[in-house]
Amino acid sequence: GAGVSQSPSNKVTEKGKDVELRCDPISGHTALYWYRQSLGQGLEFLIYFQGNSAPDKSGLPSDRFSAERTGGSVSTLTIQRTQQEDSAVYLCASSPPTGRYEQYFGPGTRLTVT
Amino acid sequence: AQSVAQPEDQVNVAEGNPLTVKCTYSVSGNPYLFWYVQYPNRGLQFLLKYITGDNLVKGSYGFEAEFNKSQTSFHLKKPSALVSDSALYFCAVRDLEGYQKVTFGTGTKLQVIP
Repeated sequence: GAGVSQSPSNKVTEKGKDVELRCDPISGHTALYWYRQSLGQGLEFLIYFQGNSAPDKSGLPSDRFSAERTGGSVSTLTIQRTQQEDSAVYLCASSPPTGRYEQYFGPGTRLTVT
Repeated sequence: AQSVAQPEDQVNVAEGNPLTVKCTYSVSGNPYLFWYVQYPNRGLQFLLKYITGDNLVKGSYGFEAEFNKSQTSFHLKKPSALVSDSALYFCAVRDLEGYQKVTFGTGTKLQVIP
């Protein structure tokens, strides 16, 4: 079946511009996660959605970052007034509702802020 | 707060030799533990998980991991390394007690030398 998809695969933007990154999770998966992976670094948790519950936003690094999930499916991560330190690969993952807890990752969006 | 430590940034092993990638964790309750692999220029892939039951867990590509509660460890092992196993390996933990955020380690680069 179809896996997690993310778009765009690559995004180059100028400092100060806003960007939107999209994630389409696997159909039926209720949990959705956003992570950031900087060069040579591990995965930095950003935000977590579970069904209709309030999202866990504890990992968002600043108020320039926000995310929403519409209809319990597609999610958009928005970065306002991008900075060079925002350059990274942004990964999305989803998990099924119960019984299995592994995450299925998308290919990521490589964001470069010039 | 939950945490994961991967004490080795890189592990080098000769092809055909056994390999071990170390992981220790800290959670307030009982853990769910995971290993993921990231091949160059590809997304993260799930390898194996420990939820409950047998402490020795078998996963994809001949990998296995041993859960040791007293040492709070979950080391990844393989009896005979292949050059194609060269990749970045991440350990992750999730608290069983309802807190669903997943915390990843910083990753260990495995280099299998022909």
